[in-house]
Amino acid sequence: DVKVTQSSRYLVKRTGEKVFLECVQDMDHENMFWYRQDPGLGLRLIYFSYDVKMKEKGDIPEGYSVSREKKERFSLILESASTNQTSMYLCASSRLGQAPGNQPQHFGDGTRLSIL
Amino acid sequence: DQQVKQNSPSLSVQEGRISILNCDYTNSMFDYFLWYKKYPAEGPTFLISISSIKDKNEDGRFTVFLNKSAKHLSLHIVPSQPGDSAVYFCAASADGGSNYKLTFGKGTLLTVNP
Repeated sequence: DVKVTQSSRYLVKRTGEKVFLECVQDMDHENMFWYRQDPGLGLRLIYFSYDVKMKEKGDIPEGYSVSREKKERFSLILESASTNQTSMYLCASSRLGQAPGNQPQHFGDGTRLSIL
Repeated sequence: DQQVKQNSPSLSVQEGRISILNCDYTNSMFDYFLWYKKYPAEGPTFLISISSIKDKNEDGRFTVFLNKSAKHLSLHIVPSQPGDSAVYFCAASADGGSNYKLTFGKGTLLTVNP
């Protein structure tokens, strides 16, 4: 079974802090993703990476950056946390394949981040 | 601009009956569609997918139908079970090759009553 592990289930930080969210997958997947989930808005893609040191912006990258130094690890960074970044953050991974339906994304259990 | 729309925030059905969850999309470049299920405090789990070259895909109690001309897909669950109670997300992808970006709908909360 694919295992995507997010380092924290719950996190509370203060505005202006630099926040790191970590994600590790154990299936040697090429692709990794960061989403946020907000009530009434569904899942929105923040950033994704298709290889080590490669990254691409998703739909809502403002205020975030990412790091992928190793294939199994993908970090989301809030450079200067703000209250509107309070959300559920979900990491996912998938194998590079012929079609996303054949290589579905596998999700971690999420980090609920509160910015005070 | 919301490209994947799930217009029903919630749906309630009786155990044993059919659940039908609907999804509409606006981007004609989408060619792969997926459904994910999410329980509270867990990440979404992949349920079933369909390519735009098909109009139906079935996996046990779950069937997804695709109507490309209407840009509409639906997920049928028969028979519905209380354990199916969860939020269901529709997702779509453009470029049926190695494109990996999914666009999700807002989700529909399904409640199956015993």
